[in-house]
This record gives sequence, structure tokens and C-alpha cells, in this order.
Amino acid sequence: AQSVTQLDSQVPVFEEAPVELRCNYSSSVSVYLFWYVQYPNQGLQLLLKYLSGSTLVKGINGFEAEFNKSQTSFHLRKPSVHISDTAEYFCAASRRNNDMRFGAGTRLTVKP
Amino acid sequence: NAGVTQTPKFRVLKTGQSMTLLCAQDMNHEYMYWYRQDPGMGLRLIHYSVGEGTTAKGEVPDGYNVSRLKKQNFLLGLESAAPSQTSVYFCASSYPPGTEAFFGQGTRLTVV
Repeated sequence: AQSVTQLDSQVPVFEEAPVELRCNYSSSVSVYLFWYVQYPNQGLQLLLKYLSGSTLVKGINGFEAEFNKSQTSFHLRKPSVHISDTAEYFCAASRRNNDMRFGAGTRLTVKP
Repeated sequence: NAGVTQTPKFRVLKTGQSMTLLCAQDMNHEYMYWYRQDPGMGLRLIHYSVGEGTTAKGEVPDGYNVSRLKKQNFLLGLESAAPSQTSVYFCASSYPPGTEAFFGQGTRLTVV
């Protein structure tokens, strides 16, 4: 099964600053990639997904991610964060007809 | 539109006790998953199912059993609970296989 590495366990950032959360995956075959967000004491909510086609994917709440096959990366970006973006973010990968695996998570803290 | 529903939401068990967690989905999804979430470790796959009557092991299956007797339900059992199984458990479902997963709200289990 593919593995997923989130390179930063915690990312502190000031409000209205840009942010990038990094994710690398290992897979030798076509892969589907996802970013999920988890707010305190809640389940996971899908932010965006890459299944095929354009490598730049736009999601909810102003987030976007770029699929880079040569670097096996799928980094999440937002040009200007808000206090309400404070949450844990998970990168995930799967292959068709296979299970989904998650990274360890990145805790984004937005400070005023 | 309920989506994925987990029962119960909270439970405290004594070491050696058994229990079953129930996951129900109303989206006619083929794939269903059980994950556990522990601090700093992200979500780890326990077991999954690719359809009614089938189950498969994930990353951390030891100490757990599952059953998928009906397409809409996926049960996770702990035969003899241990403190190491204290965790938050998430159920998810997806269709088509390998694409976006929808999550339940989680079950917080404490084993004392």
C-alpha cells in the first residue's frame, strides 16, 4: 500500500499570512490524493481531491493544492489564512480498488 | 441525509471487556473502513471491506475483528479490550472504491 508523509507536524502562522502544508506520497502507480480537515472534536471533512486531469486543484475555504508527479508531492496552500482555519489537516492517498492511507497530520495554528 | 453514523459516541470499558462499534451508511457505498486516531500518528487503518460479506486487514488489525453482513453496516469488535486500544475510532465509506471517503463523527473509547 502507498504511504503518506506530512513533513510538518505543526505550523504556526499569523492571520492573513500565506501558508503551505507539505505532503509527499510513495506510489509507483496512479494514485488519488486528498486533503481533509478536522476541527476539534469533529470528524474529517474533505477539503479537496485530485483524481486526474489538471494538477492544480481548488477546494473549499480558499485552499488549493498542486499535484507534482515527478516529486510525488501534493502540497496544500492558502494565500491568506484566517483564525477559523486553525485545525488539523490530513493528507491521504489511495489507488483505485484499494484502501486509503493517511499521513500523521499537520496542526495549523493561526495567531492574531 | 444522515451519511455515516457511528454508535456509540463515547464508551468506557474495563480491561478484558468486549464491545462492538456500529457504523451505518445510507449512501449505498461499496467500500467501508475502520480507522483509529491517536495523537501524532494520524489515522491508521484497522480493517476495511470492499463489499457485503468481505473484509480485509489494514495496518493495525490485531485485537480487532469486523463483519459486513449487510452492505450498509460495518461492525468493529473488540473481544478483550486493552488499555492500548484507548483511542478515537472513525468509520468511513466510499464509492467508487479508492475515491473520496465520507467519515462518521467518531467514537471515543477509553479502556481502563
